[in-house]
Amino acid sequence: EAQVTQNPRYLITVTGKKLTVTCSQNMNHEYMSWYRQDPGLGLRQIYYSMNVEVTDKGDVPEGYKVSRKEKRNFPLILESPSPNQTSLYFCASSLIPHSGANVLTFGAGSRLTVL
Amino acid sequence: KNQVEQSPQSLIILEGKNCTLQCNYTVSPFSNLRWYKQDTGRGPVSLTIMTFSENTKSNGRYTATLDADTKQSSLHITASQLSDSASYICVVSEGSSGSARQLTFGSGTQLTVLP
Repeated sequence: EAQVTQNPRYLITVTGKKLTVTCSQNMNHEYMSWYRQDPGLGLRQIYYSMNVEVTDKGDVPEGYKVSRKEKRNFPLILESPSPNQTSLYFCASSLIPHSGANVLTFGAGSRLTVL
Repeated sequence: KNQVEQSPQSLIILEGKNCTLQCNYTVSPFSNLRWYKQDTGRGPVSLTIMTFSENTKSNGRYTATLDADTKQSSLHITASQLSDSASYICVVSEGSSGSARQLTFGSGTQLTVLP
């Protein structure tokens, strides 16, 4: 089944403890992206990647890192999490360009709480 | 800066009624516009895509319109059902169909359908 898989789905951690949220897609998509969703603010892009070894900042990249060493994986790294990073995170992927049948496929989401 | 604005922010209707959601954008050059449906706690799922040359497109009880001149789109839901309760997100893709560009997300309209 074609899908985007995120792990963990739920995580409670403490301030300053490094964590990684993994994202993997099995559709051979070039484009991958991370978003955070907070009440009343909608989806905001953190980082995106057009292909392997190519990453760019989105609208809210502060406090996050990403890497794209393989086409299928796009992990989101929080080096020193803070409470303001408590949010619902989504990973998504797509073929490029973003037109026609090349729809964004989203993962199920990862709910992160930083105490 | 590219922007996508949606209205209303939230909407409550009775089951069986129709409703229309609005999306205004300033993205240029324009490639396409997608409407996504996001159920609570889940990833968004594409409902329909509108390209520059398309004015109207239907997907069951969902009908999307696009006016590329005024840079406006609407999503009309006919004979609403309880399962239509969700957030509806407008996403605009920049650039020509042959290029890869960043996506701009609206903040969504939260629709609640009451019995």
